[in-house]
Amino acid sequence: SQQGEEDPQALSIQEGENATMNCSYKTSINNLQWYRQNSGRGLVHLILIRSNEREKHSGRLRVTLDTSKKSSSLLITASRAADTASYFCAILNSGGSNYKLTFGKGTLLTVNP
Amino acid sequence: DTEVTQTPKHLVMGMTNKKSLKCEQHMGHRAMYWYKQKAKKPPELMFVYSYEKLSINESVPSRFSPECPNSSLLNLHLHALQPEDSALYLCASSPGRYNYGYTFGSGTRLTVV
Repeated sequence: SQQGEEDPQALSIQEGENATMNCSYKTSINNLQWYRQNSGRGLVHLILIRSNEREKHSGRLRVTLDTSKKSSSLLITASRAADTASYFCAILNSGGSNYKLTFGKGTLLTVNP
Repeated sequence: DTEVTQTPKHLVMGMTNKKSLKCEQHMGHRAMYWYKQKAKKPPELMFVYSYEKLSINESVPSRFSPECPNSSLLNLHLHALQPEDSALYLCASSPGRYNYGYTFGSGTRLTVV
């Protein structure tokens, strides 16, 4: 499957704690992206990491990529109630000359005040 | 303007109706996408347009007909849908096909009765 698999499926933490979500995949990738979705509405792009990169930071977000293990992790530090959302990893890979962005099943993060 | 605008936000249609979903962006993005998302599932790719040409059709039934009249506008024409087509339909755009995050609209929640 080209789809990423997130782990855990659901995560509940207290405000101020860190949240870590993992994504595993099976194919070669061009890049891996993380998105957030609130209450079944539009997705918001968080961060993109290319296949030749190992780590990227954006504000309170830290993403790592291990292509040898075909896995990525998203760390949200000092979480806030507003971080409550579903988080999806998405894999961009090429089938021939056509690039497709395929989403994993997502992790539902709940941050309790 | 950094948004993707989708209209309508909600749509209820009968199985014999013809309706259209509209998606608009003014960011100069040259790739546009339709995704379908069922409740508690990840978004699934339907169509990809690149430079106003259809690049990918993920074996979507012909009752869904995409159209890209110009570089800013993407339509999805609906005809003779089934109740199982009820879902959130998401439009997205990106500057190019790879190494860019996608900007998503807030979606059209479609109910087929």
